[in-house]
Amino acid sequence: GESVGLHLPTLSVQEGDNSIINCAYSNSASDYFIWYKQESGKGPQFIIDIRSNMDKRQGQRVTVLLNKTVKHLSLQIAATQPGDSAVYFCAENRGGTALIFGKGTTLSVSS
Amino acid sequence: DTGVSQDPRHKITKRGQNVTFRCDPISEHNRLYWYRQTLGQGPEFLTYFQNEAQLEKSRLLSDRFSAERPKGSFSTLEIQRTEQGDSAMYLCASSSPTAGPGYGYTFGSGTRLTVV
Repeated sequence: GESVGLHLPTLSVQEGDNSIINCAYSNSASDYFIWYKQESGKGPQFIIDIRSNMDKRQGQRVTVLLNKTVKHLSLQIAATQPGDSAVYFCAENRGGTALIFGKGTTLSVSS
Repeated sequence: DTGVSQDPRHKITKRGQNVTFRCDPISEHNRLYWYRQTLGQGPEFLTYFQNEAQLEKSRLLSDRFSAERPKGSFSTLEIQRTEQGDSAMYLCASSSPTAGPGYGYTFGSGTRLTVV
């Protein structure tokens, strides 16, 4: 079935670099997208969200970009820190109660 | 602590035994969700409550699974006759009345179930 997927299972960066984590989705009906951070042994932690009527949204050190033409979502983390090391998931809401999650990208930040 | 609380954090059980997990949502949140997450995968939706009413169940929720939220506050998820394939992290999330269903989730830290 259709699902949200991520391009790379792992991403390794140096402290201070900018990180970009990508996600592709297939359902044009999806109207809401969220990025979550999950540290080992913990539940997903909300980072930032974006609705389908927007192209870009910024938070503290994070930016989400939505390209509906190619069904692509990205998370940019500025000045990546060791504490950013975690698994990052994108998720979509297709207008129902459930969030559909992708498989996740493991971000490793070395100092 | 005003987050979503789950208990226990870890559970090891023998195949065939019954287990029950508890979730205490954020107090003003009337929506409650259960998800299951297996190793290396994203969470998968199991079921949704609005107040005490169970309004949606995934096909993943087999007959051996039952969830309740009797007073519209805490919720329990029971698995009967556990199988090794039930080994996973069981996550609970809640959201407020002002957020539509499927929006504004706060997740708990989960219960890690290992069936041996």
